[in-house]
Amino acid sequence: LAKTTQPISMDSYEGQEVNITCSHNNIATNDYITWYQQFPSQGPRFIIQGYKTKVTNEVASLFIPADRKSSTLSLPRVSLSDTAVYYCLVGPMYSGGGADGLTFGKGTHLIIQP
Amino acid sequence: ETGVTQTPRHLVMGMTNKKSLKCEQHLGHNAMYWYKQSAKKPLELMFVYSLEERVENNSVPSRFSPECPNSSHLFLHLHTLQPEDSALYLCASSQVPTDFYGYTFGSGTRLTVV
Repeated sequence: LAKTTQPISMDSYEGQEVNITCSHNNIATNDYITWYQQFPSQGPRFIIQGYKTKVTNEVASLFIPADRKSSTLSLPRVSLSDTAVYYCLVGPMYSGGGADGLTFGKGTHLIIQP
Repeated sequence: ETGVTQTPRHLVMGMTNKKSLKCEQHLGHNAMYWYKQSAKKPLELMFVYSLEERVENNSVPSRFSPECPNSSHLFLHLHTLQPEDSALYLCASSQVPTDFYGYTFGSGTRLTVV
């Protein structure tokens, strides 16, 4: 998996848009960018994945510039319930073709305040 | 309901006790995983089972013993644990070959060793 760098923590307020940037300078041609979200005392859950340009779903948007060396997870109008750890993972669509599991970094601890 | 159920949610055990953690998945997946998440540390992959066979054991001490009797059930047997083994233990499942968004996690068992 490509090495990723993301901020350890971020703070924001309810109703704001939050952008979390992940750096992945060594991304390979066949790598995808995937984000997981983990609420306190729960397991991570998939939120969004992309390869290039922009992807949007009901939870978030993912912006990927042309050089793909970074990506930005955008959470619109956050609420207190968006307080969680957000993980950026970069690797080929199928991790080795087998049951390899996922390798998580430290993620970004997002704290939303009233 | 994530489709992956872990019991118990909380467990306190003494260092001389023997206990087991249980994981059950209702998704028809064929691979299951145990992760450990200690305070302020990234998730650590402990064991991987694919088609009911153990395919990975990431240098986990022998006081942790996994068992996968069928593709829907996974156990983690615990004996003579140490206080530093206190952590959130997470189970996940996937369908092999697994892409990055194909992992489903349970809510975990919060283990405290006293």
